[in-house]
Amino acid sequence: KAGVTQTPRYLIKTRGQQVTLSCSPISGHRSVSWYQQTPGQGLQFLFEYFSETQRNKGNFPGRFSGRQFSNSRSEMNVSTLELGDSALYLCASSLGGGGGTEAFFGQGTRLTVV
Amino acid sequence: KQEVTQIPAALSVPEGENLVLNCSFTDSAIYNLQWFRQDPGKGLTSLLLIQSSQREQTSGRLNASLDKSSGRSTLYIAASQPGDSATYLCAVESGGSYIPTFGRGTSLIVHP
Repeated sequence: KAGVTQTPRYLIKTRGQQVTLSCSPISGHRSVSWYQQTPGQGLQFLFEYFSETQRNKGNFPGRFSGRQFSNSRSEMNVSTLELGDSALYLCASSLGGGGGTEAFFGQGTRLTVV
Repeated sequence: KQEVTQIPAALSVPEGENLVLNCSFTDSAIYNLQWFRQDPGKGLTSLLLIQSSQREQTSGRLNASLDKSSGRSTLYIAASQPGDSATYLCAVESGGSYIPTFGRGTSLIVHP
């Protein structure tokens, strides 16, 4: 079956712009989580959506937001981009019904802010 | 708050060696522990998932063990190959949320 699909794979944006990233989870998975990965900070959790509701949120400013649609596809948006937002953004999907489910990751979106 | 530490941070070995990568966590109340592999600039590939009730899982040349009481997991790689070169991350899903906490990873290079 198809894995987790993230689009686009690469993005170059200018400071101050906004960006929207997309994640299509594995069919049947209801939980989608987003992460930011940088060399300095490692993998940092942004937020998690389950059945169209944000269930968990990490410690990121309000410029980072997300949503999940009825088909479980998710988008994350970053407004007023800063140079420090340059990173690999990863999404993961899981069945999400409770603790103990396996997470599967997409290939990521590489965002470069110039 | 759960904290996950991976030692060593980097490892370089000749082809054919058997390896042990370590992962330790501070809170033993976990749901599961998952090992991932990440190639440069790519996403994470799930290798093994160990539920809290299990002691180990095996897949091919990989074997992961879990000791909740001591807060440790090890990933054993048998007969390493250059294609095993990657960063290996462990992630622990703890009680109270469904969000895994990741270690910083072990960067492995297997040279021919």
